[in-house]
Amino acid sequence: NAGVTQTPKFQVLKTGQSMTLQCAQDMNHEYMSWYRQDPGMGLRLIHYSVGAGITDQGEVPNGYNVSRSTTEDFPLRLLSAAPSQTSVYFCASSYGADYGYTFGSGTRLTVV
Amino acid sequence: QQPVQSPQAVILREGEDAVINCSSSKALYSVHWYRQKHGEAPVFLMILLKGGEQKGHDKISASFNEKKQQSSLYLTASQLSYSGTYFCGAYSNSGYALNFGKGTSLLVTP
Repeated sequence: NAGVTQTPKFQVLKTGQSMTLQCAQDMNHEYMSWYRQDPGMGLRLIHYSVGAGITDQGEVPNGYNVSRSTTEDFPLRLLSAAPSQTSVYFCASSYGADYGYTFGSGTRLTVV
Repeated sequence: QQPVQSPQAVILREGEDAVINCSSSKALYSVHWYRQKHGEAPVFLMILLKGGEQKGHDKISASFNEKKQQSSLYLTASQLSYSGTYFCGAYSNSGYALNFGKGTSLLVTP
């Protein structure tokens, strides 16, 4: 049982480049979410999904896209990277609103 | 919107107690509590559901006041392993998004 798997663990991008952060879970969780963590700001919600084919924006969605074509996968796309997107990104999943989230190990992204 | 946590930071000696508070301006469906160690991912501790049912950790307790939209996490007889940053997360009644507070840093010293 792998839990929530995020790849890559580290990434350096140049301003303007695009990339996809991968997230996969093998627990048959319906809910999946992406958060970014910056010093002093806590965990801020970027996008979330309550099932395959259903996504919605969180608190800080600008510059990011998501899709949920399967229950298992929830990739996060950075369209045109900016230094302000330098952060640690966490993917998390859950059975639903009555259950806790399991977090992936995170992706540390630096945009130069 | 992010829930508001207080205090921002706490330093305790081993064996002392601490309370961390979480409040929201919106009506809440449930409150979650997580702990994050430095360099690691957050780990789920506990969930408190509307109606009073509590699920989760058996060594740390919490309360949920639905009318005041507040929750408190109680750490009693703290251990060194309690050190970390504690986050509360909240689901509002109107949505499916789990929003987190900015966190409370807890340091337990020998």
